[in-house]
Amino acid sequence: AQTVTQSQPEMSVQEAETVTLSCTYDTSESDYYLFWYKQPPSRQMILVIRQEAYKQQNATENRFSVNFQKAAKSFSLKISDSQLGDAAMYFCAYRRNAGGTSYGKLTFGQGTILTVHP
Amino acid sequence: EAQVTQNPRYLITVTGKKLTVTCSQNMNHEYMSWYRQDPGLGLRQIYYSMNVEVTDKGDVPEGYKVSRKEKRNFPLILESPSPNQTSLYFCASSTVAGGAPDTQYFGPGTRLTVL
Repeated sequence: AQTVTQSQPEMSVQEAETVTLSCTYDTSESDYYLFWYKQPPSRQMILVIRQEAYKQQNATENRFSVNFQKAAKSFSLKISDSQLGDAAMYFCAYRRNAGGTSYGKLTFGQGTILTVHP
Repeated sequence: EAQVTQNPRYLITVTGKKLTVTCSQNMNHEYMSWYRQDPGLGLRQIYYSMNVEVTDKGDVPEGYKVSRKEKRNFPLILESPSPNQTSLYFCASSTVAGGAPDTQYFGPGTRLTVL
């Protein structure tokens, strides 16, 4: 079974600085997707960025980028120029991408609470 | 406006009293899913549906039922709720690309308390 681990329950960063959130996962699959979701106090779940496992290039979305290390099964999120609005809980998630019916299954990590200090 | 709606948003009930949490999306998405969120455990998938009349278990399906009779609706049914089902529940939907769910859109959540 796939597992996703976020080992940092809480992180903090100064406004305008850079912070990296860690995520590791365990799978025997070679074709899968990884996601980072943001959950602000409003409780909505917002997709931040996603990475396809067969793509070697790290995904980037404006101030958000990932460091995807497939061999190490690591998928960290880097937030540059942090803003007050980035304060939220961040979830890493995994989904397989091939065959069977279980490719509808999404596995989340425990979440990391990010605090942004002015 | 494209959205996923859940009702009720808040519910307090007692052990054993059957309840249904509704979920509806207006984006014509094939894929829908239910999650529960608990402190320290993150989000855990309960059930998902790849399309009408197609449902499958997630990681924590015990004590829950779902049905997908229409594309837009995916209700979550607790036949006999117990206190360990007290949680925050999310419904989500997405298109299916290449046979697998794409980016998921989440509803606002339902806070359930079972006494």
